Amino acid sequence: DAKTTQPNSMESNEEEPVHLPCNHSTISGTDYIHWYRQLPSQGPEYVIHGLTSNVNNRMASLAIAEDRKSSTLILHRATLRDAAVYYCILRLETSGSRLTFGEGTQLTVNP
Amino acid sequence: NAGVMQNPRHLVRRRGQEARLRCSPMKGHSHVYWYRQLPEEGLKFMVYLQKENIIDESGMPKERFSAEFPKEGPSILRIQQVVRGDSAAYFCASSPTRGIFGTQYFGPGTRLLVL
Repeated sequence: DAKTTQPNSMESNEEEPVHLPCNHSTISGTDYIHWYRQLPSQGPEYVIHGLTSNVNNRMASLAIAEDRKSSTLILHRATLRDAAVYYCILRLETSGSRLTFGEGTQLTVNP
Repeated sequence: NAGVMQNPRHLVRRRGQEARLRCSPMKGHSHVYWYRQLPEEGLKFMVYLQKENIIDESGMPKERFSAEFPKEGPSILRIQQVVRGDSAAYFCASSPTRGIFGTQYFGPGTRLLVL
């Protein structure tokens, strides 16, 4: 299975943008890039997903490199509520419906 | 529309007892997934079920663990003869469709503590 690599932790200040990187150099052409996050003591929450083009929704933006070997989740204005572990996940056709979570990035937001 | 519901939220069992974890998917969702998060570890897929069928149980331990999703009622994850190593947070997720396009909506989890 293609693997993702994320920094263990990142820090940001409240109301500033945050760029969370993810490397997936072995991604195949039909793999979707999904992001979930897990707030403390809660279940994971879907954030965004994309294939090739950049994507925007009310929570975040997803910027995908032209060669698709990396992507960046962008939180435009971090709030304290955005402090969570962020998971970059490849949805593989061959892996069926399950989500394969890695270590993720622990985002700390400073007031 | 109520989200995914799990109960109990906290469950304490002694070694050797049985644990039953329940998951009610979101309305209209017929696909259910169970994940386990051991202390200080990441989330691991356990099993994927559709109404009355187990689709993928590749992440389930071979012994003591079973899951069902009956035609009526919640999905149940059952752990027989629990051991201390079963202490973890168990999360259920549901989706309206299968495959890589189906966003999964997670419940708040059941935290199992085995004494």
